[in-house]
Parts: sequence; C-alpha cells; structure tokens
Amino acid sequence: NAGVTQTPKFQVLKTGQSMTLQCAQDMNHEYMSWYRQDPGMGLRLIHYSVGAGITDQGEVPNGYNVSRSTTEDFPLRLLSAAPSQTSVYFCASSPRTGLGNTEAFFGQGTRLTVV
Amino acid sequence: AQSVSQHNHHVILSEAASLELGCNYSYGGTVNLFWYVQYPGQHLQLLLKYFSGDPLVKGIKGFEAEFIKSKFSFNLRKPSVQWSDTAEYFCAVNARNNNDMRFGAGTRLTVKP
Repeated sequence: NAGVTQTPKFQVLKTGQSMTLQCAQDMNHEYMSWYRQDPGMGLRLIHYSVGAGITDQGEVPNGYNVSRSTTEDFPLRLLSAAPSQTSVYFCASSPRTGLGNTEAFFGQGTRLTVV
Repeated sequence: AQSVSQHNHHVILSEAASLELGCNYSYGGTVNLFWYVQYPGQHLQLLLKYFSGDPLVKGIKGFEAEFIKSKFSFNLRKPSVQWSDTAEYFCAVNARNNNDMRFGAGTRLTVKP
C-alpha cells in the first residue's frame, strides 16, 4: 500500500533557486494539501485542492505555487527559494464525504534547507 | 477560518502517570476534530477522530478524547502512559463548510522510564 508518496526526502537549495516537491496518492482522494512544519508552530497549511483543476490558498501561501492536473498528483513549487522556507514539508490527502474532510493521510515529509 | 490552540508545549511524565493534553478551537459551526501523533522522525498518524455522536471517543493505543461543545474543547487523555508514547501530539480541526484542516502548534510529550 503506497498511500501518499513524497519526493525527495531531503533537499538543499541555494537562495533564489526553484524546485518542485512531488506528491502522489493512490487512494483516489479528492482532497490534497501541503503543510509546512516549523518548531513551535505546528503544521501550517500552504495550499490545498478539493479536486483536479481546483486549488486554493491556505494560511501561508506566499512563495509557493501548486497545480492539480490529476486526482493523484499535487506538486508544490518554490519559485525563488528563501532561507525562511527552510522547513519540513508534508503532503496529505483526505477522502471527502458529506461530513467534510475525514482522516488526513500524510506523506513521509521533505526536509528542505535553503542556504 | 477556524483556529486551534494547544495549551501545553512540552509535558514530561513518568511511566504509568496519567495524561491529559488540552485542545481548544475557535469556530462557531460544525466541526470534525482529530488528534494526530508524530513519533520522532516520522510522519503524522491518526490517533482518533470525532465527527458526531458520543462525545467520548476512543482511539488507538489506549488514548481517548472528550468533545465538550460548550467549551470548544477536545482534550486527549490516557490513564497510564508508556515510554513508547514519547512523541509530539497535534490537535486538528476541520470545519464542515470549508475545505481546510487546521492544526495546533503541538505538544511534545516525554515519558521517562
């Protein structure tokens, strides 16, 4: 059972570089999201999507772009990396029901360092 | 949008002690409530969830939580902790009429053997 797969696990970028964090899920979940985790701040929502072709901003969207061309994939793009984007990034997916979002399934995370 | 606050940043307990971690949320409508656990170096895993019905919910590994609507609270409890419960615990809230799930800042639990 693959679940939610994130790549890469670790990445070091120089300030100003761009990169894409990949996220794929094989559970046919409608809802996918990206969070960043920083010490003492918990998980903060960056962007989310409720289905293919639909994305929206979360709490901390600046400096990040997303797209959702398929149900399975939800890549996160850093346009011009900054040291403030050093963090651990988690992708998650959830099945949506009449009760809203149910359990979120998380990927293993990507530890990103911007120097 | 909804917000979540967890009162304790770091809790240190001895094995067999009882645990209660506080969680309060701010949102006036209907919510789904969750507790997740993150063991060192791992991703978040679901401990338990509440959608409706009995406000006392039981999860994995002997954890339970009680939803008190009047207090906007969803506190996590365990009668007797083990060393293996050492982890970070996150409360999360999803409002039924919007799409995002918000997390608290987390509580780090250290259990001394």
